[in-house]
Amino acid sequence: DSGVTQTPKHLITATGQRVTLRCSPRSGDLSVYWYQQSLDQGLQFLIHYYNGEERAKGNILERFSAQQFPDLHSELNLSSLELGDSALYFCASSVGDLGQQYFGPGTRLTVT
Amino acid sequence: GEDVEQSLFLSVREGDSSVINCTYTDSSSTYLYWYKQEPGAGLQLLTYIFSNMDMKQDQRLTVLLNKKDKHLSLRIADTQTGDSAIYFCAESRDDKIIFGKGTRLHILP
Repeated sequence: DSGVTQTPKHLITATGQRVTLRCSPRSGDLSVYWYQQSLDQGLQFLIHYYNGEERAKGNILERFSAQQFPDLHSELNLSSLELGDSALYFCASSVGDLGQQYFGPGTRLTVT
Repeated sequence: GEDVEQSLFLSVREGDSSVINCTYTDSSSTYLYWYKQEPGAGLQLLTYIFSNMDMKQDQRLTVLLNKKDKHLSLRIADTQTGDSAIYFCAESRDDKIIFGKGTRLHILP
């Protein structure tokens, strides 16, 4: 158990819908990272927040957005969902920037 | 190129050593990492190395870093069936962590 929690574990929704994925970092960790893992693209970095502020953006679509709240939990919002958005979404946390990252168990999103 | 590269598959006999190789791109990367992902699970940090180190050993794991060639390797001594997983190499770059596509390690009896 890494100490990072993600909810929900599984999510099935239809094209065009909007979903919110939630992540709680390990106690004391200020950084949260979001990743998308799919069979064809591998593990893609989406976005990094540090203590509430956006630090870096990767291959994140405009339909996706994220935020980190004052209590340091983070949410990833995915809208206008397409079939190709079906993937595992991982959250990771670390104490500072770029330190050891601890991954959550992931949310499996299926878009039908 | 832009990518962290690693071979996709490796088969090793139980008891032998496994060596998983990776090439990365950014010579200014501060950290280089190895992660393990078992089926249906998240990624587990196995070990990491600072870019000013050449080698790091942790029990059965040995990480070698060749900065000149931007080459990173992970050696698993006495490979066991429980080592069967996908191993990801990653580098820190511009406030991001960039992952390779993973090497699937298959253990032969």
